[in-house]
Amino acid sequence: DGGITQSPKYLFRKEGQNVTLSCEQNLNHDAMYWYRQDPGQGLRLIYYSQIVNDFQKGDIAEGYSVSREKKESFPLTVTSAQKNPTAFYLCASSLTVGGYTFGSGTRLTVV
Amino acid sequence: GNSVTQMEGPVTLSEEAFLTINCTYTATGYPSLFWYVQYPGEGLQLLLKATKADDKGSNKGFEATYRKETTSFHLEKGSVQVSDSAVYFCALSNSNSGYALNFGKGTSLLVTP
Repeated sequence: DGGITQSPKYLFRKEGQNVTLSCEQNLNHDAMYWYRQDPGQGLRLIYYSQIVNDFQKGDIAEGYSVSREKKESFPLTVTSAQKNPTAFYLCASSLTVGGYTFGSGTRLTVV
Repeated sequence: GNSVTQMEGPVTLSEEAFLTINCTYTATGYPSLFWYVQYPGEGLQLLLKATKADDKGSNKGFEATYRKETTSFHLEKGSVQVSDSAVYFCALSNSNSGYALNFGKGTSLLVTP
């Protein structure tokens, strides 16, 4: 079955370390997205990519980086420059217009 | 830019009560509008959507009508059940942000027996 796989489900890192969250899809979707979810804040867009080798900043891109070397993969790196990295991170993909599919998320805790 | 404003929760209702969750938006052009639901401990699920003015999205007894004149997409259900307890997110997408979904902050609904 097609879908989005985010791994790991839970991730712990020490403050000051970079960490990369994985997102893989086998839906043949062109577009992929990263969101951050905090209690009472809803989902905020970090980065998005409409095609391979191209991506755009979302509303809260500072302290994050991404790459899109393959259509199936859109990893997110949380860098040490991100002031408050502890959060729930959701990856999504879609055809160019509509039909969004979400992953099950990664909960990152920085200690 | 795009923005979505939805009523703050938590909303607490008794079973079989009428539900309205207000959602208004700011966007250029003609965005598509969505309601997503997140049940406790689960992922995000599409509840309903509407892609043009006056369209009505519906699913599982929930309805929302795309009102361009009032830039609104209010969610309604005539008789809620305990199993409807969840967080509800209003969202829009358009070409301004590569069709990424822009979400409201979410409204928590608790339905009591």
